Amino acid sequence: GEDVEQSLFLSVREGDSSVINCTYTDSSSTYLYWYKQEPGAGLQLLTYIFSNMDMKQDQRLTVLLNKKDKHLSLRIADTQTGDSAIYFCAECLRDTGRRALTFGSGTRLQVQP
Amino acid sequence: DAGITQSPRYKITETGRQVTLMCHQTWSHSYMFWYRQDLGHGLRLIYYSAAADITDKGEVPDGYVVSRSKTENFPLTLESATRSQTSVYFCASSVENQPQHFGDGTRLSIL
Repeated sequence: GEDVEQSLFLSVREGDSSVINCTYTDSSSTYLYWYKQEPGAGLQLLTYIFSNMDMKQDQRLTVLLNKKDKHLSLRIADTQTGDSAIYFCAECLRDTGRRALTFGSGTRLQVQP
Repeated sequence: DAGITQSPRYKITETGRQVTLMCHQTWSHSYMFWYRQDLGHGLRLIYYSAAADITDKGEVPDGYVVSRSKTENFPLTLESATRSQTSVYFCASSVENQPQHFGDGTRLSIL
Protein backbone atom coordinates (compact mmCIF):
# COMPACT_ATOMS: atom_id res chain seq x y z
CA GLY A 1 0.00 0.00 0.00
CA GLU A 2 0.91 3.66 -0.17
CA ASP A 3 0.99 5.08 3.32
CA VAL A 4 3.56 7.54 4.60
CA GLU A 5 3.44 8.38 8.31
CA GLN A 6 5.02 11.17 10.32
CA SER A 7 4.64 12.48 13.83
CA LEU A 8 2.62 15.69 13.90
CA PHE A 9 4.70 17.98 16.05
CA LEU A 10 8.26 18.53 17.27
CA SER A 11 9.53 21.30 19.51
CA VAL A 12 13.24 22.02 20.01
CA ARG A 13 15.39 24.82 21.37
CA GLU A 14 17.50 26.99 19.11
CA GLY A 15 20.93 25.47 18.61
CA ASP A 16 19.81 21.91 19.32
CA SER A 17 19.50 19.20 16.69
CA SER A 18 16.09 18.26 15.32
CA VAL A 19 15.23 14.79 14.11
CA ILE A 20 12.08 14.31 12.08
CA ASN A 21 11.02 10.75 11.41
CA CYS A 22 9.00 9.14 8.65
CA THR A 23 7.90 5.62 7.88
CA TYR A 24 6.77 4.39 4.50
CA THR A 25 5.26 1.09 3.57
CA ASP A 26 6.10 0.48 -0.07
CA SER A 27 9.47 -1.10 -0.65
CA SER A 28 9.32 -0.29 -4.36
CA SER A 29 9.87 3.39 -3.63
CA THR A 30 12.94 4.59 -5.44
CA TYR A 31 13.26 8.20 -4.32
CA LEU A 32 12.37 9.65 -0.93
CA TYR A 33 12.06 13.37 -0.43
CA TRP A 34 11.94 16.00 2.26
CA TYR A 35 10.05 19.21 1.58
CA LYS A 36 9.69 22.28 3.80
CA GLN A 37 6.61 24.47 3.91
CA GLU A 38 6.60 27.84 5.61
CA PRO A 39 3.28 29.50 6.54
CA GLY A 40 1.32 30.58 3.47
CA ALA A 41 3.98 29.32 1.09
CA GLY A 42 4.49 26.46 -1.30
CA LEU A 43 6.69 23.43 -0.83
CA GLN A 44 10.42 23.89 -1.00
CA LEU A 45 12.56 20.88 -1.81
CA LEU A 46 15.13 20.37 0.95
CA THR A 47 16.80 17.15 -0.05
CA TYR A 48 16.17 13.69 -1.41
CA ILE A 49 17.75 10.28 -1.29
CA PHE A 50 17.81 7.41 -3.70
CA SER A 51 16.73 4.07 -2.29
CA ASN A 52 20.14 2.44 -2.75
CA MET A 53 21.74 4.95 -0.36
CA ASP A 54 21.88 4.81 3.44
CA MET A 55 22.78 8.38 4.16
CA LYS A 56 23.03 11.75 2.52
CA GLN A 57 24.47 14.90 4.05
CA ASP A 58 23.96 18.42 2.80
CA GLN A 59 25.30 21.19 5.05
CA ARG A 60 23.12 21.13 8.21
CA LEU A 61 20.85 18.41 6.84
CA THR A 62 21.43 14.66 7.21
CA VAL A 63 19.05 12.10 5.77
CA LEU A 64 19.18 8.52 7.01
CA LEU A 65 17.42 5.68 5.26
CA ASN A 66 16.77 2.28 6.79
CA LYS A 67 15.22 0.19 4.02
CA LYS A 68 14.75 -2.87 6.19
CA ASP A 69 12.50 -0.94 8.58
CA LYS A 70 11.19 1.43 5.87
CA HIS A 71 12.28 4.35 8.03
CA LEU A 72 13.50 7.72 6.87
CA SER A 73 14.77 10.52 9.07
CA LEU A 74 15.84 14.12 8.60
CA ARG A 75 18.30 15.60 11.05
CA ILE A 76 18.76 19.36 11.17
CA ALA A 77 21.91 20.38 13.03
CA ASP A 78 22.10 23.67 14.95
CA THR A 79 18.40 24.34 14.46
CA GLN A 80 17.50 27.99 13.97
CA THR A 81 14.21 29.87 14.41
CA GLY A 82 14.07 30.16 10.62
CA ASP A 83 13.76 26.38 10.47
CA SER A 84 10.31 26.60 12.04
CA ALA A 85 7.98 25.16 9.40
CA ILE A 86 6.11 22.03 8.38
CA TYR A 87 8.30 19.26 7.00
CA PHE A 88 6.88 16.70 4.61
CA CYS A 89 8.28 13.33 3.81
CA ALA A 90 7.29 11.96 0.37
CA GLU A 91 7.96 8.86 -1.66
CA CYS A 92 7.90 8.33 -5.41
CA LEU A 93 6.63 5.01 -6.67
CA ARG A 94 8.22 4.39 -10.03
CA ASP A 95 6.40 1.10 -10.50
CA THR A 96 3.05 2.88 -10.87
CA GLY A 97 4.36 4.84 -13.84
CA ARG A 98 2.82 7.98 -12.41
CA ARG A 99 5.95 9.57 -11.00
CA ALA A 100 3.65 11.28 -8.52
CA LEU A 101 4.53 11.68 -4.86
CA THR A 102 2.79 10.21 -1.86
CA PHE A 103 3.11 12.55 1.11
CA GLY A 104 2.99 12.14 4.84
CA SER A 105 0.75 14.50 6.80
CA GLY A 106 3.68 16.69 7.74
CA THR A 107 5.60 17.40 10.97
CA ARG A 108 5.33 20.88 12.39
CA LEU A 109 8.71 21.93 13.78
CA GLN A 110 8.67 24.67 16.38
CA VAL A 111 12.02 26.19 17.33
CA GLN A 112 12.07 28.02 20.62
CA PRO A 113 14.61 30.83 21.12
CA ASP B 1 13.43 32.77 -14.33
CA ALA B 2 9.71 32.43 -13.64
CA GLY B 3 9.71 28.68 -12.92
CA ILE B 4 6.23 27.50 -12.07
CA THR B 5 3.42 29.96 -11.44
CA GLN B 6 -0.11 29.46 -10.28
CA SER B 7 -3.02 31.83 -10.63
CA PRO B 8 -5.02 33.13 -8.96
CA ARG B 9 -3.30 32.98 -5.55
CA TYR B 10 -6.62 33.39 -3.78
CA LYS B 11 -10.15 32.70 -4.97
CA ILE B 12 -13.54 32.83 -3.31
CA THR B 13 -16.52 31.42 -5.15
CA GLU B 14 -19.94 29.91 -4.51
CA THR B 15 -21.17 26.35 -4.67
CA GLY B 16 -22.21 25.28 -8.14
CA ARG B 17 -19.90 27.70 -9.95
CA GLN B 18 -17.24 26.62 -12.37
CA VAL B 19 -13.73 27.72 -11.49
CA THR B 20 -10.41 27.17 -13.25
CA LEU B 21 -7.04 27.22 -11.57
CA MET B 22 -4.10 27.93 -13.83
CA CYS B 23 -0.61 26.49 -13.77
CA HIS B 24 2.22 27.54 -16.04
CA GLN B 25 5.84 26.34 -16.08
CA THR B 26 8.74 27.70 -18.07
CA TRP B 27 11.07 24.68 -17.85
CA SER B 28 9.40 22.49 -20.51
CA HIS B 29 9.06 19.74 -17.93
CA SER B 30 7.19 16.72 -19.25
CA TYR B 31 5.43 15.82 -16.01
CA MET B 32 2.89 18.05 -14.33
CA PHE B 33 0.74 17.39 -11.26
CA TRP B 34 -2.14 18.81 -9.29
CA TYR B 35 -2.35 18.21 -5.54
CA ARG B 36 -4.70 19.45 -2.89
CA GLN B 37 -3.63 20.11 0.68
CA ASP B 38 -6.04 19.66 3.56
CA LEU B 39 -5.39 19.59 7.28
CA GLY B 40 -4.45 16.13 8.46
CA HIS B 41 -4.02 14.74 4.93
CA GLY B 42 -0.80 16.19 3.67
CA LEU B 43 -0.97 16.57 -0.10
CA ARG B 44 -3.10 14.28 -2.22
CA LEU B 45 -2.80 13.82 -5.97
CA ILE B 46 -5.79 14.94 -8.03
CA TYR B 47 -4.52 14.53 -11.61
CA TYR B 48 -1.22 14.23 -13.36
CA SER B 49 0.10 14.49 -16.88
CA ALA B 50 3.10 12.75 -18.39
CA ALA B 51 3.16 14.92 -21.53
CA ALA B 52 0.97 17.17 -23.65
CA ASP B 53 -2.39 15.50 -24.35
CA ILE B 54 -1.69 12.74 -21.80
CA THR B 55 -3.50 13.01 -18.48
CA ASP B 56 -4.60 10.53 -15.85
CA LYS B 57 -6.43 10.40 -12.55
CA GLY B 58 -4.76 10.47 -9.19
CA GLU B 59 -6.05 9.64 -5.73
CA VAL B 60 -8.92 12.19 -5.50
CA PRO B 61 -10.10 13.10 -9.05
CA ASP B 62 -13.86 13.33 -8.55
CA GLY B 63 -15.29 16.75 -9.40
CA TYR B 64 -12.18 17.90 -11.27
CA VAL B 65 -11.24 18.11 -14.94
CA VAL B 66 -7.82 18.79 -16.46
CA SER B 67 -6.40 19.38 -19.88
CA ARG B 68 -2.92 19.76 -21.30
CA SER B 69 -2.93 21.05 -24.83
CA LYS B 70 0.50 22.67 -24.38
CA THR B 71 3.47 21.34 -22.42
CA GLU B 72 3.75 24.47 -20.29
CA ASN B 73 0.13 24.74 -19.12
CA PHE B 74 -1.94 22.43 -16.97
CA PRO B 75 -5.25 24.03 -15.91
CA LEU B 76 -7.49 22.43 -13.30
CA THR B 77 -11.25 23.01 -13.54
CA LEU B 78 -13.88 22.46 -10.90
CA GLU B 79 -16.97 22.05 -13.03
CA SER B 80 -19.51 22.61 -10.22
CA ALA B 81 -17.74 23.64 -7.04
CA THR B 82 -18.70 22.10 -3.71
CA ARG B 83 -17.73 23.14 -0.18
CA SER B 84 -15.65 19.98 0.20
CA GLN B 85 -13.36 21.35 -2.52
CA THR B 86 -12.30 24.24 -0.30
CA SER B 87 -8.58 23.63 -0.06
CA VAL B 88 -5.13 24.79 -1.04
CA TYR B 89 -4.19 23.58 -4.50
CA PHE B 90 -0.62 23.03 -5.60
CA CYS B 91 0.71 22.48 -9.05
CA ALA B 92 4.07 20.79 -9.59
CA SER B 93 6.29 19.81 -12.48
CA SER B 94 9.26 17.57 -13.04
CA VAL B 95 11.30 15.60 -15.53
CA GLU B 96 12.17 11.92 -15.31
CA ASN B 97 14.12 10.98 -12.17
CA GLN B 98 14.22 14.53 -10.88
CA PRO B 99 12.40 16.09 -7.93
CA GLN B 100 9.13 17.88 -8.37
CA HIS B 101 9.06 21.64 -8.10
CA PHE B 102 5.98 23.28 -6.68
CA GLY B 103 4.14 26.50 -7.30
CA ASP B 104 3.10 28.80 -4.46
CA GLY B 105 -0.43 27.41 -4.37
CA THR B 106 -3.98 28.68 -4.85
CA ARG B 107 -6.12 29.12 -1.77
CA LEU B 108 -9.68 28.34 -2.83
CA SER B 109 -12.72 28.98 -0.63
CA ILE B 110 -16.16 27.81 -1.69
CA LEU B 111 -19.04 29.37 0.16
